[in-house]
Amino acid sequence: DQQVKQNSPSLSVQEGRISILNCDYTNSMFDYFLWYKKYPAEGPTFLISISSIKDKNEDGRFTVFLNKSAKHLSLHIVPSQPGDSAVYFCAASASGAGSYQLTFGKGTKLSVIP
Amino acid sequence: EAQVTQNPRYLITVTGKKLTVTCSQNMNHEYMSWYRQDPGLGLRQIYYSMNVEVTDKGDVPEGYKVSRKEKRNFPLILESPSPNQTSLYFCASSLSSGGYVYGYTFGSGTRLTVV
Repeated sequence: DQQVKQNSPSLSVQEGRISILNCDYTNSMFDYFLWYKKYPAEGPTFLISISSIKDKNEDGRFTVFLNKSAKHLSLHIVPSQPGDSAVYFCAASASGAGSYQLTFGKGTKLSVIP
Repeated sequence: EAQVTQNPRYLITVTGKKLTVTCSQNMNHEYMSWYRQDPGLGLRQIYYSMNVEVTDKGDVPEGYKVSRKEKRNFPLILESPSPNQTSLYFCASSLSSGGYVYGYTFGSGTRLTVV
């Protein structure tokens, strides 16, 4: 059973507009969430994270929102740029002894059209 | 430069021929892990290691072995590769503290084809 779900395999957005990537999780023990960005032929790179004690974290053009009651998080990119075209993975971690793992979603491919 | 180095980047092998994919990190991270990426399946964890001589299975460990004799190295061993192990493999490392794994650093990937 998939614990981290990214239900949109792909998303196309016009340059300059907002990109919104969504992620849902089922494990209520998850309390730390991350977004990774992956270009072809490269490894994923860390983008932004959020702890469950917050509902929003911002870093430049990137903002992650967390809705714990809905078990939902989203990544907003404003304004979107062609260089943002990549696959974005949502990941989650649970604190506590032995929980040294990140569980990833399947990814969403973002295409920003010039 | 802080990095995770995997070798080789590309490998084509035949069924049953043992192979090792190496992974090394220079950040003194305790935690290391192997993932495979397959179309439509995302990133799935194979094995992970919390420190030297401490390893454990991830979600898809069948057909793989790992070892962690030194902190910096975490090789992935395929004793008898099969075509269903054709995939893109990523090694990752991270600091870990208080149960959290903070932001993995990934290697550039190894594209393995088993024929």
